[in-house]
Order: sequence, then structure tokens, then C-alpha cells
Amino acid sequence: DTAVSQTPKYLVTQMGNDKSIKCEQNLGHDTMYWYKQDSKKFLKIMFSYNNKELIINETVPNRFSPKSPDKAHLNLHINSLELGDSAVYFCASSQERYGYTFGSGTRLTVV
Amino acid sequence: GDSVTQMEGPVTLSEEAFLTINCTYTATGYPSLFWYVQYPGEGLQLLLKATKADDKGSNKGFEATYRKETTSFHLEKGSVQVSDSAVYFCALTIQGAQKLVFGQGTRLTINP
Repeated sequence: DTAVSQTPKYLVTQMGNDKSIKCEQNLGHDTMYWYKQDSKKFLKIMFSYNNKELIINETVPNRFSPKSPDKAHLNLHINSLELGDSAVYFCASSQERYGYTFGSGTRLTVV
Repeated sequence: GDSVTQMEGPVTLSEEAFLTINCTYTATGYPSLFWYVQYPGEGLQLLLKATKADDKGSNKGFEATYRKETTSFHLEKGSVQVSDSAVYFCALTIQGAQKLVFGQGTRLTINP
């Protein structure tokens, strides 16, 4: 009965590789997000999608490509991974402005 | 632009102490305000929220009041427990903006 689930929980990969993180929500929310949490715990939005349409792209490098096949899924694909991409990535969903629900995070380590 | 500023951490208290974590905001519209908590190794959980001026959000003994005149949403708890040790984030959203803007987080450690 997990509301927002993302996989994998941990991801360790070498520089230059391409990887994907998947996210699914079963709350019926219209909007989904990707947030990045850096080593100092600062959270910054990367993307938001509303009903499969891109709404926000916060100057994220184009190596990051979100894909929303339907409004319940928002996946994040990252090409040519760099050391600076190491972080915790959180998926979230919301309906209007009253409820944001976050996934448990994916800790990405690039070596 | 919209922003949230929290008090610098880390904050270390003894069990049963009174807690205040300050949060102030700058917003172009009328925001909804939130406190999220992140326990070690876990994701973000909504702790409480307030959607209009003078609203008080409360949960698990924590409270915060939306103060429009001081643009603040300070988090308080009368008697903290070791299990409250976590990182606390203040956040806001503006209707239609479709994103949460977070403060930098405040790490709280409670010693027995």
C-alpha cells in the first residue's frame, strides 16, 4: 500500500554510465516531481510533471531526462553520470497544493 | 523569488527540553506552509501544515502557527524526546506554482 514508491533504493555506478530511477504513485495525484538532496541535505526541485506534461525544469543539465508514460509514473534517466551527480533523489506527488507525498529516496553514488 | 530560511543547525537538546526551530519565508503570493521531517536513512514525512494566515498546524506534539505579519512559521514542541532526532525542513508552496520550496533543513539531536 506504498503511496509513492521509487526503485532502486541504492544505486552505485561508475562515471560515464547511464542509469534510470523509477517512480510510481498510487494516490491518483495529477502532479509528480523529482527533487535532488545534496550532501548538505539541501533539497532542490529538478522537474515537475502534471498529467504527463513537463511543467518545471529547473535548469537541470540535459543529461537528465524525465519520462512520464502516464500520470502515475515518472522515471528519471541520467546519461553520462558524473561524480557531482551523487546525491539522494526523491520522487514526490501532489494534488493541488495541499498534499505532497514523497518516496523514500534513491541514494545514487557515482564512483 | 520565493524562498525559505531556517535557523542554522545543528541543534542539540536534552530530553524534555523545549524546542523552537525558526522559519521565515519570502513569497510572491499567498503560500501554504509545511514542516517536513527526515529521520536518519529515511525519506521525507509531512509533519504539519497551515494553509492560511493564523492557522496552527499540529502533530505529534509539534506546533507551528502561520504568521503573515512576520512571515514566519516557527516549529515548537514543549518536551522533546530522543526519537525526535531528525532533520526538519520548512517549506512553502504557492498555488499554481506546482513545486515545494524548501529551507536548508535543521538537524536536531536529542540526548537522553
